[in-house]
Parts: sequence; structure tokens; C-alpha cells
Amino acid sequence: KQEVTQIPAALSVPEGENLVLNCSFTDSAIYNLQWFRQDPGKGLTSLLLIQSSQREQTSGRLNASLDKSSGRSTLYIAASQPGDSATYLCAVQNFGNEKLTFGTGTRLTIIP
Amino acid sequence: GAVVSQHPSWVICKSGTSVKIECRSLDFQATTMFWYRQFPKQSLMLMATSNEGSKATYEQGVEKDKFLINHASLTLSTLTVTSAHPEDSSFYICSERRGVETQYFGPGTRLLVL
Repeated sequence: KQEVTQIPAALSVPEGENLVLNCSFTDSAIYNLQWFRQDPGKGLTSLLLIQSSQREQTSGRLNASLDKSSGRSTLYIAASQPGDSATYLCAVQNFGNEKLTFGTGTRLTIIP
Repeated sequence: GAVVSQHPSWVICKSGTSVKIECRSLDFQATTMFWYRQFPKQSLMLMATSNEGSKATYEQGVEKDKFLINHASLTLSTLTVTSAHPEDSSFYICSERRGVETQYFGPGTRLLVL
């Protein structure tokens, strides 16, 4: 059974700093991994999707990496802004399964 | 803009009553929708897969008679929480599947059972 863990559970950093969020998963037979953003009381917005054959994906100030063999992914946010404050979730999709298994999330607060 | 809507966005009900939550696809004919539940400070847990025109597939531990899912059209899936109890209070989110690896999520419905 796939299990996804995110560390830390919460993170506060001053505006302008670069930061890294971590995601680990137990079953490396994944089809893809996604990073989502969730604002309080809201649904999810997909940020980046990495296929199992890829090592990283970039979108603006966001960069996600994937090391499938070690069961890890990181989300790097450059030059953080107060608008980046949200909960970030990673989710994996295993081969032969359309379901997503979500991590516990990291609640990020950017301090102005 | 939003591609999946949910109604209501929040609901408060008395214990023992039933609550219906709608998940609507705004610009796509979704044959498959998913229902998730999220307790405070916890992650999303898949409850069931809703298939248009057929019975929903429930995850282990989810009572199908308590959480009734109807996917009667390609744009609408409903989740009915029957005889709701305080422990059912949660944030319910639906998503629609587009392709093998793409899901669009609704804004969620917060349920509080008194």
C-alpha cells in the first residue's frame, strides 16, 4: 500500500527566501507525482506534474524534482512571496491505478 | 476559471439528517468523478470513484449505504451523507478525471453536523 509523507508539517519563512518542501513515498512503482496547492477552505490547484521517467519540472518560481529510486520529491520555491502562503500537497499515482494517494501536506506561511 | 463546481460550499445540519452535495462539471462530460474527504489538518482520503451510469466503487472502510453516490449524468455526481453524525463533519471535495493523469478538483463542501 502506497504511503506518502510530507515534512515539515508547517513552515514559516520571511518573504524573499528560497525554500524546499519534501515529499516521500513508500512504493517506487509510480506513474507520476504531482504537487498541488490548497488555500484555506478551498479545493486543489495543480502546480506541477512529474512523470516517472522525468527528474524535474519547472514552472516560474517553482521547481519540482523526483528521485524515484529513493522515493523522494522536493518542491523548490524561489524568492517566496506572501501570496505563496498555502498548504502544499504532493500526490502519487501508481501504475495501473487511476487513484491519487495524497501526502499529509505542508502548511507554508510567508512572513511579509 | 473553475471547471468543477460544488454545491453547497458549506452546510450545517442536525445529527440524523441527510445532506446532499452536488459536484458539477462545467465544461466537460466526465464519465469518472472522485469523492474525497479531508479532516482538519489531515490529507485528502479517497472515498469512492463515481462512474456515470453505473455503481460507484467505494474504498475500503467507506460505508456505501451511508455515503450514497449517484452519477446519473456526465456533468453531475451527487454525494448524499445519510443520517449524518458529528463524526461525519469534514471537508468533502470532488474531482473529475480528464485523461489518465489529470484531475480537476472542485472547491469543496464543508459539512458540520451538530
